[in-house]
Amino acid sequence: QVQLQESGPGLVKPSETLSLTCTVSDDSISTYYWSWVRQPPGKGLEWIGYIYNSGSTNYNPSLKSRVTMSLDTSKNQFSLKLRSVTAADTAMYYCARIGGVFGSGWSYYYGMDVWGQGTTVTVSS
Amino acid sequence: DIQMTQSPSSVSASVGDRVTITCRASQDISRWLAWYQQKPGKAPKLLIFAASTLQSGVPSRFSGSGSGTDFTLTISSLQPEDFATYYCQQADSFPFTFGPGTKVDIK
Repeated sequence: QVQLQESGPGLVKPSETLSLTCTVSDDSISTYYWSWVRQPPGKGLEWIGYIYNSGSTNYNPSLKSRVTMSLDTSKNQFSLKLRSVTAADTAMYYCARIGGVFGSGWSYYYGMDVWGQGTTVTVSS
Repeated sequence: DIQMTQSPSSVSASVGDRVTITCRASQDISRWLAWYQQKPGKAPKLLIFAASTLQSGVPSRFSGSGSGTDFTLTISSLQPEDFATYYCQQADSFPFTFGPGTKVDIK
């Protein structure tokens, strides 16, 4: 069973860039869509976006102006950068795999079927 | 964006009870709905996808139904390990969106 592991700084200063990496335990990184999801303390889940094989991305419009995702297949890793952070970006950040059936020009998404354990990021000076 | 709502926001129940949680989408999402269970301090766990398909390893006391805009998660006989928060999520279109969650706690 594939495992995901987030890594990155737990503390980021306001106006700076949050950078996280997710390491995938096997070589499936080129096969699936990979997502980031966040959860502020005591609140619900927010989907941040996905990145896929060729580097194609789709970001939540609420964060699109500040988000960049990238993929490094040689390291089985994908990454999240969130610019100009504020206290509102304080959250648990999860990386997750999007399950589904993917064809040429079409996809059916099942949801996020594999999750990392999450990493807490606090935005504070 | 597709808005997701859930009811109730919380429910108190006893072991052995039947629990039903409802999720509603702001537009037709066909059967592209997932349900997750989240325990404190843990990542969400996928329980059901495509509205009614049980994820591998999930106990059969969990079931899902619905299509279009209205969906239901049912726990047929609540077990001690089922006390958690449950989220629905639409997988019909991006951005994926989640419901606000339903907390199931001990009566």
